[in-house]
Amino acid sequence: AQRVTQPEKLLSVFKGAPVELKCNYSYSGSPELFWYVQYSRQRLQLLLRHISRESIKGFTADLNKGETSFHLKKPFAQEEDSAMYYCALSGGGGSQGNLIFGKGTKLSVKP
Amino acid sequence: GAVVSQHPSRVICKSGTSVKIECRSLDFQATTMFWYRQFPKQSLMLMATSNEGSKATYEQGVEKDKFLINHASLTLSTLTVTSAHPEDSSFYICSARDRVGGPYGYTFGSGTRLTVV
Repeated sequence: AQRVTQPEKLLSVFKGAPVELKCNYSYSGSPELFWYVQYSRQRLQLLLRHISRESIKGFTADLNKGETSFHLKKPFAQEEDSAMYYCALSGGGGSQGNLIFGKGTKLSVKP
Repeated sequence: GAVVSQHPSRVICKSGTSVKIECRSLDFQATTMFWYRQFPKQSLMLMATSNEGSKATYEQGVEKDKFLINHASLTLSTLTVTSAHPEDSSFYICSARDRVGGPYGYTFGSGTRLTVV
């Protein structure tokens, strides 16, 4: 079964501390993995996708197929990073399939 | 970048009436659009996949006669909540995808807050 698991509902860190938001997935084929961010009262925005291997706003995420994980990391958290973060999966290999979302992790960065 | 426009952002309607929500891709063609529902403090739940020129594919447990989806063009999909009831009150979000492997991936609308009184 296709599934995305974000084990932490809430993650609270101090400004300047490293942050890691965990994401594990279950998928039988070759999925496409995404991280989306939703700031307060704003729409979902794409943060990262694993195929582009970019670093956005200091965040990185590496797809680990052995551990079926796609954890989101940032070495030094900022207050403006406080938001809801959703890990999502889509069937790869030419699929136009829908996104399957994790339950989300609320990141709170304290001053 | 890709933009998806969703209207209205907020609507209050009386029980028993119908409400139409529009989702437009502004600068790209979207052969596939997705409709989600988000309950407070919960994740997005896929309701249906809308394909241009064909019938929508509904997820299990979603009433197709209640949530009518029309994807008449490559840039417009509509969701009509028919005979709305208070339990239909929720946050509805649409999403569109450009071509597979395209630069934009999935782009989301700003959502519609529906309140049925």
